[in-house]
Amino acid sequence: DSGVTQTPKHLITATGQRVTLRCSPRSGDLSVYWYQQSLDQGLQFLIQYYNGEERAKGNILERFSAQQFPDLHSELNLSSLELGDSALYFCASSVAPLYEQYFGPGTRLTVT
Amino acid sequence: GDSVTQMEGPVTLSEEAFLTINCTYTATGYPSLFWYVQYPGEGLQLLLKATKADDKGSNKGFEATYRKETTSFHLEKGSVQVSDSAVYFCALSEDNYGQNFVFGPGTRLSVLP
Repeated sequence: DSGVTQTPKHLITATGQRVTLRCSPRSGDLSVYWYQQSLDQGLQFLIQYYNGEERAKGNILERFSAQQFPDLHSELNLSSLELGDSALYFCASSVAPLYEQYFGPGTRLTVT
Repeated sequence: GDSVTQMEGPVTLSEEAFLTINCTYTATGYPSLFWYVQYPGEGLQLLLKATKADDKGSNKGFEATYRKETTSFHLEKGSVQVSDSAVYFCALSEDNYGQNFVFGPGTRLSVLP
């Protein structure tokens, strides 16, 4: 158990809908990262937050957004969902940028 | 841009067999290299890492050596166990752990008793 929690574990929704994925980092970790793991694209970095501020952006679509709250939990919002957004979404946390990342168990999103 | 190539598998071995999973990379700078493991139903866990040329990372009987001349970071284990069955990802980061990991496609390993 990495100490990173993600909810929900599974999510099934329809195209065009909007969903919110939640991540609670390990106690004491200030950085949160989001990744997407899909069959065709593999594992891709989406976005990173550090102490509430966006720090780095990867291959995140404009339909997706994220934020980190004062209590350090983070949410990833996915809107106008398409079939291709079906994937496992991982959250990871670290004490600070450039430190080891610990991954959560992931949220499996299925868009039908 | 940076990229990581690894054998995609699946790789199926008998218990106590020798394991090699090949990984090669392309990078503009001098990246740190990592192996992550993903057990069924779980997130990724750092298995080992190396931050400069000729460094050897090791953990739980697994080893990998950073070979700059061949741009490789092959994962090896002398005697695999059923519990090693998982997906293994090779990855690089230009800035140590950094924010911009580049992952390989993953190699699924199945170890049979």
